[in-house]
Amino acid sequence: DAGVIQSPRHEVTEMGQEVTLRCKPISGHNSLFWYRQTMMRGLELLIYFNNNVPIDDSGMPEDRFSAKMPNASFSTLKIQPSEPRDSAVYFCASSFGQGLYEQYFGPGTRLTVT
Amino acid sequence: GENVEQHPSTLSVQEGDSAVIKCTYSDSASNYFPWYKQELGKRPQLIIDIRSNVGEKKDQRIAVTLNKTAKHFSLHITETQPEDSAVYFCAPPPMNRDDKIIFGKGTRLHILP
Repeated sequence: DAGVIQSPRHEVTEMGQEVTLRCKPISGHNSLFWYRQTMMRGLELLIYFNNNVPIDDSGMPEDRFSAKMPNASFSTLKIQPSEPRDSAVYFCASSFGQGLYEQYFGPGTRLTVT
Repeated sequence: GENVEQHPSTLSVQEGDSAVIKCTYSDSASNYFPWYKQELGKRPQLIIDIRSNVGEKKDQRIAVTLNKTAKHFSLHITETQPEDSAVYFCAPPPMNRDDKIIFGKGTRLHILP
């Protein structure tokens, strides 16, 4: 298995633009997580899905952020419009079950909003 | 909800010495306690985990101990080596199945030559 796949690996965009981050979880995993990591705030859980259904999105900063999981092998995190404070590394992770098993992280997407 | 505290936030140890990082949580129904390691510029990766039916687990130079009564679990690294330099995170699962997981703030471990 190739592990969790994320794209793009790096994204540089201007303030106000829409940004879409993509994730392909490990086949067979039924939980998917989106995290944001910054020096100031550490590793924050934004949203997680179980069996493609969003379970907890309380970590999503505001309405500019949205996430979808249309099927078991694909998820997106969208920021519209983007702002400089959204600059961070965004990780996607997957696991067999929420809270009881190892989370496998993707390589992350480094987002820079100028 | 879950309240996770990790100490210390930064730790410097001489190469060859031991390092201990502690994670304290607030809810007691958790039964899976993992530690993740994140090297500079890399993704977090699981290095060791423990389930609540045991008090200690070892894997070569790494061990995790669990004290459910006191609600904390610790990461122990012995005979530290330069490659142990990284940030370490604990992530106790929430009390309720659908509550979100909260990672600790991380401990930056420096191994001094």
